Amino acid sequence: GEDVEQSLFLSVREGDSSVINCTYTDSSSTYLYWYKQEPGAGLQLLTYIFSNMDMKQDQRLTVLLNKKDKHLSLRIADTQTGDSAIYFCAESPPGYSTLTFGKGTMLLVSP
Amino acid sequence: SQTIHQWPATLVQPVGSPLSLECTVEGTSNPNLYWYRQAAGRGLQLLFYSVGIGQISSEVPQNLSASRPQDRQFILSSKKLLLSDSGFYLCAWSTVLYEQYFGPGTRLTVT
Repeated sequence: GEDVEQSLFLSVREGDSSVINCTYTDSSSTYLYWYKQEPGAGLQLLTYIFSNMDMKQDQRLTVLLNKKDKHLSLRIADTQTGDSAIYFCAESPPGYSTLTFGKGTMLLVSP
Repeated sequence: SQTIHQWPATLVQPVGSPLSLECTVEGTSNPNLYWYRQAAGRGLQLLFYSVGIGQISSEVPQNLSASRPQDRQFILSSKKLLLSDSGFYLCAWSTVLYEQYFGPGTRLTVT
């Protein structure tokens, strides 16, 4: 079955770049997503990438997709304390109405 | 623009009591609707999803049930709560591209 893996924790200093990694097993995934969850809140869709793309950039966010290795990453440039949150990777297999989520990476940004 | 509402925001219920959580979506028609539970371990567990009125798919057998009495209304229920039902319940809706948008969540504590 489908599986999405993420490292559980990442700590960076304010102003540095953060890179959050994700691996998935379903090579037929159509879309891959990054969500952000702040404490006590719902998940916020940050960005998504279609499987025929290698990279997508949106302001401070850069998504890289390596389909061969089934590896997805989210880079946050100039990380701020407000970026501290849990980040979830998710995939959308074709023909399914559901997403498969990873367990989330907790990003802690220290001043 | 589309918005999603959940209520109540927090709930404390004794073991064995009934449960009803409500989710409504505005600004879209015929959305896919989802109920997730997020326990202390942070991962998201998909409980139910619905692709239309009266159509409910259950992902995890348990003492919870879901109903969709109207196009943009999704209800999560239980006749008798268990301690293990405590958690953060999230409702979400999606478009045909399957990216999901989440509500603010309901924090349920079963005592």
